[in-house]
Amino acid sequence: GQQVMQIPQYQHVQEGEDFTTYCNSSTTLSNIQWYKQRPGGHPVFLIQLVKSGEVKKQKRLTFQFGEAKKNSSLHITATQTTDVGTYFCAVASGTYKYIFGTGTRLKVLA
Amino acid sequence: NAGVMQNPRHLVRRRGQEARLRCSPMKGHSHVYWYRQLPEEGLKFMVYLQKENIIDESGMPKERFSAEFPKEGPSILRIQQVVRGDSAAYFCASSQDRGPNEKLFFGSGTQLSVL
Repeated sequence: GQQVMQIPQYQHVQEGEDFTTYCNSSTTLSNIQWYKQRPGGHPVFLIQLVKSGEVKKQKRLTFQFGEAKKNSSLHITATQTTDVGTYFCAVASGTYKYIFGTGTRLKVLA
Repeated sequence: NAGVMQNPRHLVRRRGQEARLRCSPMKGHSHVYWYRQLPEEGLKFMVYLQKENIIDESGMPKERFSAEFPKEGPSILRIQQVVRGDSAAYFCASSQDRGPNEKLFFGSGTQLSVL
């Protein structure tokens, strides 16, 4: 079945440093979504990427979809304590159920 | 405009009892997804339902677990004869339609603790 791996599993950064998480699929994707889950909270939709090589920005967050549509990345510039949480990528599979990646847990040290 | 509502927020059950978790999707949404999350782990897909239909239950254990989404009322995830390993956070999400470009809206989850 569909597998979606994310690296790293954990990342601790000093406030102000940059952060990147990578999402890799075993198959070519039609699109990819990113969600953020704050500690103790529920996942919240961030963005969707559809086109090969697509790059989208949301303030300090930059999302990229690989040329082969098998991988994606989320980059945060100058992290802040409000960026703490787990970042998941998600893909639609088969019956259009959504499979989530393994997640990257970000901690920001003030 | 209420979001996805899940109840209860916390549920404590003894081994062997039944757990019923409820999920009311966002207004206008007819698709519901259930996920399970263990502490410090990812979201594991369990089941995808549309009103009165199970679209995909490939992530649900064959025994003790069942889900429904009736024509009227919330979606229910039912766990019979709970065991300690069922302790987890169960999240429900809803979408307006079916397809690869649907945004999922999540509820706050139900934390199930089995004693």
